[in-house]
Amino acid sequence: NAGVTQTPKFRILKIGQSMTLQCTQDMNHNYMYWYRQDPGMGLKLIYYSVGAGITDKGEVPNGYNVSRSTTEDFPLRLELAAPSQTSVYFCASNKNRQYSNQPQHFGDGTRLSIL
Amino acid sequence: KQEVTQIPAALSVPEGENLVLNCSFTDSAIYNLQWFRQDPGKGLTSLLLIQSSQREQTSGRLNASLDKSSGRSTLYIAASQPGDSATYLCAPEFNNAGNMLTFGGGTRLMVKP
Repeated sequence: NAGVTQTPKFRILKIGQSMTLQCTQDMNHNYMYWYRQDPGMGLKLIYYSVGAGITDKGEVPNGYNVSRSTTEDFPLRLELAAPSQTSVYFCASNKNRQYSNQPQHFGDGTRLSIL
Repeated sequence: KQEVTQIPAALSVPEGENLVLNCSFTDSAIYNLQWFRQDPGKGLTSLLLIQSSQREQTSGRLNASLDKSSGRSTLYIAASQPGDSATYLCAPEFNNAGNMLTFGGGTRLMVKP
């Protein structure tokens, strides 16, 4: 059971570089999310999507972009990496809200350092 | 702004103790509330989900309660074991948040043999 898969697991970037964090889920979930987790803190929502072709900003969207061309994939792009974006990034998914007893499923995270 | 607070931030107990982790939130209008476990260097695993119409949920040695009117949830762990050592995160879904979760800062639990 793959669930939510994130790649890469680790990455070091130089300031100003760009990269895409990949996320894919095989559970046919409509909703997908990107969070960041700074050391000792809870998770903060970056962007989310309620279905293919639909995305919206979360609490901390600045410096990031997303797209949702398929139900399965929800990549997160950093265009100009900054040290403040050093964090652990988690992707999550769940079904439509009408299934209120379904929890969010999380990937194992991407640990990103920007130097 | 809706906020979620977890107390204590860290907790160390000897094996076998029963313990309670606390979560408070500023808006009682929630759709559901989830408790997650996070092991070091890993993602989050959902432990329990309580819908707004429910008062508690149980899974094995874990029991989560919800009091919406006071904006509180507790996670009770019975007969703690070293394998319970992890960070526990509380995350309500507020009614106006459209299927999005707001996370507390977590409680880091250490159970000593």
